Amino acid sequence: KTQVEQSPQSLVVRQGENCVLQCNYSVTPDNHLRWFKQDTGKGLVSLTVLVDQKDKTSNGRYSATLDKDAKHSTLHITATLLDDTATYICVVGDRGSALGRLHFGAGTQLIVIP
Amino acid sequence: EAAVTQSPRSKVAVTGGKVTLSCHQTNNHDYMYWYRQDTGHGLRLIHYSYVADSTEKGDIPDGYKASRPSQENFSLILELASLSQTAVYFCASSDWVSSYEQYFGPGTRLTVL
Repeated sequence: KTQVEQSPQSLVVRQGENCVLQCNYSVTPDNHLRWFKQDTGKGLVSLTVLVDQKDKTSNGRYSATLDKDAKHSTLHITATLLDDTATYICVVGDRGSALGRLHFGAGTQLIVIP
Repeated sequence: EAAVTQSPRSKVAVTGGKVTLSCHQTNNHDYMYWYRQDTGHGLRLIHYSYVADSTEKGDIPDGYKASRPSQENFSLILELASLSQTAVYFCASSDWVSSYEQYFGPGTRLTVL
């Protein structure tokens, strides 16, 4: 059973628009949540990590929230650029050490058009 | 900057053949991982290792072997490649303290015909 669900599956926005990506999970325990960006044919690049029960982070045009009570996270991308075209992957870690497992979502494919 | 490299970057193999995927890290990390990514699915853990000369099974180890000859190198071996093993394979490394600081390689696209 998939423990990390991302929505939407794909999204098309115009350059300059904002967008919101969703991540719902059932992983227990949920030590932390990380968002990755994966360009086509490339590896995963970390955007941000959320750790606290109710957490918020900001990294340039990327901002994210986590609500562990709701087991829900959002990734906001402000003023999208063509280079934001990629797959965004939500990953939940069940422990804060290498003894834990990472649980990966299938990703949201974002396409930014001119 | 942490660095994980993989070779080859892409490979076409025949059913029943042997395939070896290689991973090299310069992060001085103890932990290394092999994942596979299938279209429409999240990454799944195949094998991992926390010390040289030792490997552990992940969530989907069937059909795969792993080898960790040194701290820097971690290989994934498909003794008898099958069509169902067509996927993109990612290697990652981390130190033992924080698994969420995993650093990923660029991936190897394997096509089994």
